[in-house]
Amino acid sequence: EVTLVESGGALVQPGGSLRLSCSASGFAFDAHLMNWVRQAPGKGLEWVSSIDKYFTPYYADSVKGRFTVSRDNAENSLYLQMNSLRDEDTAVYYCLDGDYRWGQGTLVTVSS
Amino acid sequence: DVALTQSPLSLPVTRGQPASISCRSGQSLVYSNGNTYLTWFQQRPGQAPRRLIYKVSIRDSGVPDRFSGSGSGSDFTLNISRVEAEDVGVYYCMQGTHWPRTFGQGTRLEIK
Repeated sequence: EVTLVESGGALVQPGGSLRLSCSASGFAFDAHLMNWVRQAPGKGLEWVSSIDKYFTPYYADSVKGRFTVSRDNAENSLYLQMNSLRDEDTAVYYCLDGDYRWGQGTLVTVSS
Repeated sequence: DVALTQSPLSLPVTRGQPASISCRSGQSLVYSNGNTYLTWFQQRPGQAPRRLIYKVSIRDSGVPDRFSGSGSGSDFTLNISRVEAEDVGVYYCMQGTHWPRTFGQGTRLEIK
């Protein structure tokens, strides 16, 4: 069975940091482009970042310079290091395999 | 960035009637390999998104055949031949041809 399980979401103060993880199983993780997509409360989907099978990262302008995506193929895991967090980063963060499978999401709340 | 414009944004439909959602992009979504990476997702209330259609018109396994995708270039449509109660939710298109990836604003389908 294919699963994507995100973790690491929490309440954090503005300016703080957080590291999200996505644990994958049931497919050839190392061959896939992996993505982070977020959804602010009551809003639509917003692409955040991707990393391809060659470890090339891609970022939305809104997070460039603050977020870092990485992957560990030996652990079948995807990560998102989020620094200098802002109120507007509050959202459910989803892991997305290519354009196919989604995790259940992890909630990040940035608030003082 | 490639903007995706969905219409309508709200879609009240009587059960058993057809529904249609448009997704228009600011530029062609045809990739250099000839493929068009336009995907449709469904997000039911309180759930993570789920892929319905990829590469414009290929329906995922387990997706009812009342869902179909069509279009080319920069003009795409998701059709539901006969809406059922379980189809309530928000529908998003996403393009995977250009960086950054982008989503449409979402179309909320409700039963009249």
